[in-house]
Amino acid sequence: DVKVTQSSRYLVKRTGEKVFLECVQDMDHENMFWYRQDPGLGLRLIYFSYDVKMKEKGDIPEGYSVSREKKERFSLILESASTNQTSMYLCASSLTREVQPQHFGDGTRLSIL
Amino acid sequence: AQTVTQSQPEMSVQEAETVTLSCTYDTSESDYYLFWYKQPPSRQMILVIRQEAYKQQNATENRFSVNFQKAAKSFSLKISDSQLGDAAMYFCAYRMKTSGSRLTFGEGTQLTVNP
Repeated sequence: DVKVTQSSRYLVKRTGEKVFLECVQDMDHENMFWYRQDPGLGLRLIYFSYDVKMKEKGDIPEGYSVSREKKERFSLILESASTNQTSMYLCASSLTREVQPQHFGDGTRLSIL
Repeated sequence: AQTVTQSQPEMSVQEAETVTLSCTYDTSESDYYLFWYKQPPSRQMILVIRQEAYKQQNATENRFSVNFQKAAKSFSLKISDSQLGDAAMYFCAYRMKTSGSRLTFGEGTQLTVNP
């Protein structure tokens, strides 16, 4: 069974801090994704990666960066956290083969004070 | 750009009854995939059902079925014999066939199941 693990379930940080959210998958998936989930807005794609050291901007990349040094790990970085980045963050992974579904982690609820 | 719209922020159903969740989407593509995901309070996103646009037959998974109307760009989810465990947030999602597996999600519908 596919396992996508996010390092923290809840996280509280302060404005201006550099924040790292970590995601690890154990099924050798090529693709990894970071979404943020806000009430009434659904899930919005921040960044995604099709391979090691490759990254693509999603729909809302401003204020975020990512790192994928190893195939199994995809990190989301908030360079200087702001209160409007308080949200639920979901990581997902998938195979490249057609119609393969995305598998999600349990989410990190991040609060920026 | 593709968009997905779920016009029902909240829905409720009595246990054992049937409920239909609506989803519409906008795309200029002719071949694509559509999904329904379920997110219970545990926050784990679970794939409920998927539909390939070139298949005319509506997908079915046990008590879950879809009504896929390609011309109308509509993709509704029907849950039959609703159970308390069906209570969750439901998301409709779209994926282009040619863009790898990037998904575009709707806003979500919160389903309550009343005993």
